[in-house]
Amino acid sequence: DSGVTQTPKHLITATGQRVTLRCSPRSGDLSVYWYQQSLDQGLQFLIQYYNGEERAKGNILERFSAQQFPDLHSELNLSSLELGDSALYFCASSPSWGPATSGNTIYFGEGSWLTVV
Amino acid sequence: GIQVEQSPPDLILQEGANSTLRCNFSDSVNNLQWFHQNPWGQLINLFYIPSGTKQNGRLSATTVATERYSLLYISSSQTTDSGVYFCAVYRGSTLGRLYFGRGTQLTVWP
Repeated sequence: DSGVTQTPKHLITATGQRVTLRCSPRSGDLSVYWYQQSLDQGLQFLIQYYNGEERAKGNILERFSAQQFPDLHSELNLSSLELGDSALYFCASSPSWGPATSGNTIYFGEGSWLTVV
Repeated sequence: GIQVEQSPPDLILQEGANSTLRCNFSDSVNNLQWFHQNPWGQLINLFYIPSGTKQNGRLSATTVATERYSLLYISSSQTTDSGVYFCAVYRGSTLGRLYFGRGTQLTVWP
């Protein structure tokens, strides 16, 4: 158990709908990351937050948005869903955004499986 | 972005066999991690290894940053080792975007 909690674990929804994925980082971690894993694209970085502020943005579609709340949990909102958005969405956390060290590395949650039908 | 290539893409072994997985990256990186994704989809940290060699039980990893590659060595394979092994690199000096390879799918048969 990495300590990163994601809900829901599985979600099936229809095209055009909107869903929210939730993430609670490890205790004490201030930085949160979202990744998408699909068969064709592999593991892709979406976005990073640190202590409530957006820190880095990757291949995140305009239909997707995220935020990190004062209690440090994060939500990823996916709207106008398309069949191609079906994927495993990971949240990850790290203590800080500072230099990567053995004590400051990224740990992944179990993921949220999203199926769009 | 950085290109991360892993080989082989697929590996089938019998229990007890040894294997070496390779990760090549296209640019200088400051840090590298190996992950194991089990059949249930969980991504598990194996090693944080920017350079040098580390060992953890039957697994060991070596990164030669100057030559832009890392190796993951699995000895005495067990069925529970099955899954996908990913190499991921950080480009900057601070934590941020991880660039993942496409992974090596390992299947260990009893």
